[in-house]
Amino acid sequence: KQEVTQIPAALSVPEGENLVLNCSFTDSAIYNLQWFRQDPGKGLTSLLLIQSSQREQTSGRLNASLDKSSGRSTLYIAASQPGDSATYLCAVRGGSYNTDKLIFGTGTRLQVFP
Amino acid sequence: DVKVTQSSRYLVKRTGEKVFLECVQDMDHENMFWYRQDPGLGLRLIYFSYDVKMKEKGDIPEGYSVSREKKERFSLILESASTNQTSMYLCASSLEETWRTYEQYFGPGTRLTVT
Repeated sequence: KQEVTQIPAALSVPEGENLVLNCSFTDSAIYNLQWFRQDPGKGLTSLLLIQSSQREQTSGRLNASLDKSSGRSTLYIAASQPGDSATYLCAVRGGSYNTDKLIFGTGTRLQVFP
Repeated sequence: DVKVTQSSRYLVKRTGEKVFLECVQDMDHENMFWYRQDPGLGLRLIYFSYDVKMKEKGDIPEGYSVSREKKERFSLILESASTNQTSMYLCASSLEETWRTYEQYFGPGTRLTVT
């Protein structure tokens, strides 16, 4: 059964720092991995999607990498801003017995203070 | 831009009531999903649908049913609401393209409280 873990569960950093959020998954037979942002009480906003054949994706100050063989992905946020404060979720699609569903981690709650 | 809307942001219902949560997407997506999100448990898939009138159980379908009569609309039904169904409910949709992306787009969520 695919399991997705995100560490740390919470992170508080001063504005301007570069930071890395981690996501690991137990079954490396995935189709893709997606990073989401969720503001308090709101829905999910898709940030980046990495296909299993790709190593990384970039969007603005965000860079997501994927190492499928080791079951890991990282989300790198450059020059963090208070507006980046949110919960960040990663989700994988696929796995040996789970080809159609997204399996989510429980998220990293990020606070960026001025 | 893809838009997924949910009929209510906040809903309060009594135990035993029948509850309908509506979700509409405007991008002609084949796939639609219902999740619930609870602290410490993350998002869990309740039901999903690949096409009109088709539905598949997710990981936690007990106590729920769904309806998809039209491609753009996917309804989640709580036949007899219970307090353990108090949660944030999130709807999502995606375009199924073989060999290509499977990006899911989410609605704003419905915070349901059952008293």
